[in-house]
Amino acid sequence: DAMVIQNPRYQVTQFGKPVTLSCSQTLNHNVMYWYQQKSSQAPKLLFHYYDKDFNNEADTPDNFQSRRPNTSFCFLDIRSPGLGDAAMYLCATSREGVGVTQYFGPGTRLTVL
Amino acid sequence: LAKTTQPISMDSYEGQEVNITCSHNNIATNDYITWYQQFPSQGPRFIIQGYKTKVTNEVASLFIPADRKSSTLSLPRVSLSDTAVYYCLIDPYGGSQGNLIFGKGTKLSVKP
Repeated sequence: DAMVIQNPRYQVTQFGKPVTLSCSQTLNHNVMYWYQQKSSQAPKLLFHYYDKDFNNEADTPDNFQSRRPNTSFCFLDIRSPGLGDAAMYLCATSREGVGVTQYFGPGTRLTVL
Repeated sequence: LAKTTQPISMDSYEGQEVNITCSHNNIATNDYITWYQQFPSQGPRFIIQGYKTKVTNEVASLFIPADRKSSTLSLPRVSLSDTAVYYCLIDPYGGSQGNLIFGKGTKLSVKP
């Protein structure tokens, strides 16, 4: 089935050690999103790609970067994770246009020791 | 950007109809109204989307009054598996332009 895949599902890193989370999709959607969701909170949009155009939310820390080498893959890089970055990271995709919906992956739960 | 207000939690029993209302007083002309469902440790799942009046699919109905300042998600005959958090979102241009803001969501608990 076409879907949004996130790897790994669980990631443990150390304080300050760079970490990369990956997302792939078989939906051939040209828009991809990264969200951060902390415990008992709503998802918060970090940034999104419209094709190769990167759109950063104003309050997304510089510590968070993203790469999209092709339509299918998108990566979230956390350059120096802090304890406050422990969260679920959700990838989503959508088509472009009006009235479209977002398809979310299962998320990667990041633990920072 | 339009903000949303919805109840923090709701309780229901199996077999009942559940209606969750979301307020979005400053919704803009181009904004769509979208509802997502999220189970613990999973990504949100699209339920339904609408622009005006009523939309119905196989899992829910969405009622939107003429002024569009609120919307009501209706879940017919809920079961235990409908226990989840339900988010109301206002999507500029229907979601493809980013700028999505999830509200706090409504935690629905369905009891036997």
